[in-house]
Order: sequence, then C-alpha cells, then structure tokens
Amino acid sequence: LAKTTQPISMDSYEGQEVNITCSHNNIATNDYITWYQQFPSQGPRFIIQGYKTKVTNEVASLFIPADRKSSTLSLPRVSLSDTAVYYCLVSGASKIIFGSGTRLSIRP
Amino acid sequence: DSGVTQTPKHLITATGQRVTLRCSPRSGDLSVYWYQQSLDQGLQFLIQYYNGEERAKGNILERFSAQQFPDLHSELNLSSLELGDSALYFCASSVESGASYNEQFFGPGTRLTVL
Repeated sequence: LAKTTQPISMDSYEGQEVNITCSHNNIATNDYITWYQQFPSQGPRFIIQGYKTKVTNEVASLFIPADRKSSTLSLPRVSLSDTAVYYCLVSGASKIIFGSGTRLSIRP
Repeated sequence: DSGVTQTPKHLITATGQRVTLRCSPRSGDLSVYWYQQSLDQGLQFLIQYYNGEERAKGNILERFSAQQFPDLHSELNLSSLELGDSALYFCASSVESGASYNEQFFGPGTRLTVL
C-alpha cells in the first residue's frame, strides 16, 4: 500500500532555510509530487509540484532524486508567516495520497 | 479566495442523522475532490469526480456517498452520522484529473459537528 511519510514537526528561525523531506517509497512511474501549505481553519494552498530533478518557483524549491522515493521542499529565508502545516501529496491517475503533515514553527 | 465555494460553513446535527455538503468548483475546473480532516489530523482523501464520473476513491465509508452534477457542482452525503464523523470537510477542484500537472484549489471547508 502506497504511503507518504513526513516528520511530525520542525522548528526554525526567521531568515533560515528550511528543508522538509517526504518519503514515498512506493511511488509509481506516472505519479507527481505536490506540496501544500495549510493554516489553521483554512483549506490547504498549493506551493509547488514536480516529477523529477528540481523545480523552483517564487516561494519554494522542490528537489526530487533520481529514484523519486523521496522529495524535499525547500523554503528559503523563512519568516514568522511561514508557520503552518506542510503536506506532501503523491498523486496519479487514480491515486491521491497525502502525507500526515509537518507542523513548521518559525521563531523570531 | 480560491474560487471554490462550500456550503454550509458550519453544520451541527445529531447522531443517526443525514446531511448533505455542497461544493461549487472554480469556473472551468472539471475535477472535484472531497477530503475529511478531523481535529488536529491530516487530510484524508475521500473521493474524486471528473466531469460527472467517479475517478478515484480513497478512505470513504459506505455511509458516505458523493456525486457530481452536470453543472459540475458536487454534493457529499453523510448518513447514519456518528460522533467520530465530526470534522472539517474540504472540497477541492482542479482543471485536470490525476497524472499530469494538477494543482488543486481548496474551498474554505464545512465544519460538521455531530452531537
């Protein structure tokens, strides 16, 4: 059974780079990897999506190794407003598997 | 504002009852997804519809059912409600379905409380 695994929580400080890794050992050939951010009592919000190697947008980077069994979300220079829960998602033609989420706390 | 609307925002009911949650996707989106999020828990995928047809099924109980109508709005029906069904129910929509670039846009959720 496919499963995604993330650390339960992480702490960091303002201005630091934060890397959150998700393990997805049973990812299928056509599956994509997506990361979402969720604030309390709000719906998740899309951050970034990728299939392999590296993807970068204006808010984050996503690193996916060649075997695709894990992925790392990188948030550069975090601020207090980045305190949230971060979910990785593995999705394919008939599959949607969310990780259990990583609660990221940013301190001044 | 994601463009996805969900009604009602809050719903309080009793055990054994039946409720219907409604979702309107973003204009142009053909896929609708339903998720359950219990207190301090992660997102549990329930079911996905694409252009009126069921596309993927997750951990959806037999007491729950959903459908997507010709105008693409969707309803999630929850019956024989139990205390454990109390949760936030999110709807999301996307243009495509599955194995391609596929950003999901989430609605604000419906908070269901079963007493």
